[in-house]
Amino acid sequence: GQNIDQPTEMTATEGAIVQINCTYQTSGFNGLFWYQQHAGEAPTFLSYNVLDGLEEKGRFSSFLSRSKGYSYLLLKELQMKDSASYLCAPLDSNYQLIWGAGTKLIIKP
Amino acid sequence: DVKVTQSSRYLVKRTGEKVFLECVQDMDHENMFWYRQDPGLGLRLIYFSYDVKMKEKGDIPEGYSVSREKKERFSLILESASTNQTSMYLCASSHGTSGRGTDTQYFGPGTRLTVL
Repeated sequence: GQNIDQPTEMTATEGAIVQINCTYQTSGFNGLFWYQQHAGEAPTFLSYNVLDGLEEKGRFSSFLSRSKGYSYLLLKELQMKDSASYLCAPLDSNYQLIWGAGTKLIIKP
Repeated sequence: DVKVTQSSRYLVKRTGEKVFLECVQDMDHENMFWYRQDPGLGLRLIYFSYDVKMKEKGDIPEGYSVSREKKERFSLILESASTNQTSMYLCASSHGTSGRGTDTQYFGPGTRLTVL
C-alpha cells in the first residue's frame, strides 16, 4: 500500500530552526511536494523535489533521499506567521499526489 | 497569480439533499481536482478531470459525481447528502495533460460542508 508518515505536531521557538520529516512508501515515485496550509485556508505550494539532495529557497529548504523514501522541510529564522500545517505529498507512478495528514507547527515567542 | 474560487466558504445542508459545489479557475488549466480534507487524514482525492467533459474517479468517489462542461469550471455533486460527507472540500487546478505531470496544484479556499 501507499503510506506517508509525518509527525502530527511540532513546537518551536521564534527565530529558531525546525526540521519536519516525512517518510513515504508509494507505488512508483515522480517527485515530492511540500505545501503549507494555514488554519482555515487553502494549501499553498512550497517546494518540489525530484532529485536527491537539498533545495534551498529563502528561509525554507527541502531535502529528498529517494533510496530511503525520506524527505524533510527545514525552516530557518522562524516567524510567528510560520505557524501552520505542512503537508508532504509524493507523486506516485500514475502522477497522483499521495497526501500525508500534515504536521501542525506551533511557533512560540 | 492563479486564482481558484469556490462557490461557498460554508454550507449547511440536510440529509438527503442534493448539494452542488462549484469551482472556477482563471488560468486556463487543463486539470482540475476535488478533494476532501478531514482532521487527522491527508487530502483524499474524490474525482479529477483532465479535459472538458472528461472525468476520472479518485480514491473515494462513492456518493459523489462531477461535471465539467467548461474548461474553467468543475462541479462536485452530492446526489443525496449524508452526515458522513460533512467535511472540508477543496478544489485544485494544475497545468498539464491527462491529469499527469509534475505541475503544481493550486487550491481554492475550500468549502466547509456540514450535513445535518
